[in-house]
Amino acid sequence: QQQVKQSPQSLIVQKGGISIINCAYENTAFDYFPWYQQFPGKGPALLIAIRPDVSEKKEGRFTISFNKSAKQFSLHIMDSQPGDSATYFCAASFHYTGNQFYFGTGTSLTVIP
Amino acid sequence: ETGVTQSPTHLIKTRGQQVTLRCSSQSGHNTVSWYQQALGQGPQFIFQYYREEENGRGNFPPRFSGLQFPNYSSELNVNALELDDSALYLCASSFRGRNNYGYTFGSGTRLTVV
Repeated sequence: QQQVKQSPQSLIVQKGGISIINCAYENTAFDYFPWYQQFPGKGPALLIAIRPDVSEKKEGRFTISFNKSAKQFSLHIMDSQPGDSATYFCAASFHYTGNQFYFGTGTSLTVIP
Repeated sequence: ETGVTQSPTHLIKTRGQQVTLRCSSQSGHNTVSWYQQALGQGPQFIFQYYREEENGRGNFPPRFSGLQFPNYSSELNVNALELDDSALYLCASSFRGRNNYGYTFGSGTRLTVV
């Protein structure tokens, strides 16, 4: 059972455009929602994260929007750059289990110059 | 500050063999988690080690086992390798006790079982 569902599977965006990746979860006990960026041959790197008591978090060009009632959260990449081309994973965790993360299936983002 | 280092980077094994993967955690971290990432998929939690004991396990059979050492480094052992074990194995370290949410991943070990 996939605890976190992610879409789209792949995304192509023009340079300067907005990239949007969506995730949905079922378990309302999740209390931490990070996004990871992974380049080929590398491990995932934490990009930005949010707790469910906040509806939006922004760090530079990256914004997480969180909709608790809909059990959905999304990553927005503003002014997308070719260097943003990577695979993005959303994830969720329960604090009480001490850090097990449930990852989405990933979105391959390509930013065209 | 050193990051998480994993060795080897690539490995080819034959079905039925055993393999040991190694991980050195980031300086200051005391918890190590292992994930399996199949091609085109998100990482799947194998288990976590804290204070040299297993502290949580995902849906993986007992032939997946691990160790954590006093210096917080860790090993992942897989016995009786199967073709489906071919994947990228990721180690992630974190500090439990403060900011329980910070994971640092290594670059992984690419295991191919033939």
